[in-house]
Amino acid sequence: EAQVTQNPRYLITVTGKKLTVTCSQNMNHEYMSWYRQDPGLGLRQIYYSMNVEVTDKGDVPEGYKVSRKEKRNFPLILESPSPNQTSLYFCASSPWLAGDQETQYFGPGTRLLVL
Amino acid sequence: RKEVEQDPGPFNVPEGATVAFNCTYSNSASQSFFWYRQDCRKEPKLLMSVYSSGNEDGRFTAQLNRASQYISLLIRDSKLSDSATYLCVVNGGGGSYIPTFGRGTSLIVHP
Repeated sequence: EAQVTQNPRYLITVTGKKLTVTCSQNMNHEYMSWYRQDPGLGLRQIYYSMNVEVTDKGDVPEGYKVSRKEKRNFPLILESPSPNQTSLYFCASSPWLAGDQETQYFGPGTRLLVL
Repeated sequence: RKEVEQDPGPFNVPEGATVAFNCTYSNSASQSFFWYRQDCRKEPKLLMSVYSSGNEDGRFTAQLNRASQYISLLIRDSKLSDSATYLCVVNGGGGSYIPTFGRGTSLIVHP
């Protein structure tokens, strides 16, 4: 089954404790990205990657890191989480065709609470 | 200034009604457009791509107006199961690889 998986689905942590949210896709997509969704603000892109070892900042990259060592995986790293990073996080992937991004497939989301 | 604007609603309609949403975008170089559906606390899922010539999928019709820079979604014969938030997505174009999401329009279909 074609899918994007994220882990963990729910996470409660404390300020300053490093964490990683994993994301994996089995569709051989070139493009992967991370979003956060907050009430009243909609989905905002954190980072994206157009292929292995190619990553770039989205709209709200501060406080986050990513890596793309393999095509299928795109982990999101919070080196020192803060309460303002409490949010619902989505990973997404899509094919990259003709210089443009096509339909995005989203993971089920990770709910993060930083105390 | 938000680049993609949607009326947040909620649009509260009875079953069987026809309802339409609009979404305006500011980047005239934008090249691709989509409508996604998001159920409460779930991930967004593609509803329709939006083509210049317009497209229809069952009860759903999407249209693009490049001159006025908006896209629309029309839902006919609304079902209870259509209740969700509908997100407009515009891909940057002009060298931008960051898709921009609208904040979504909430639809509630009641019996």
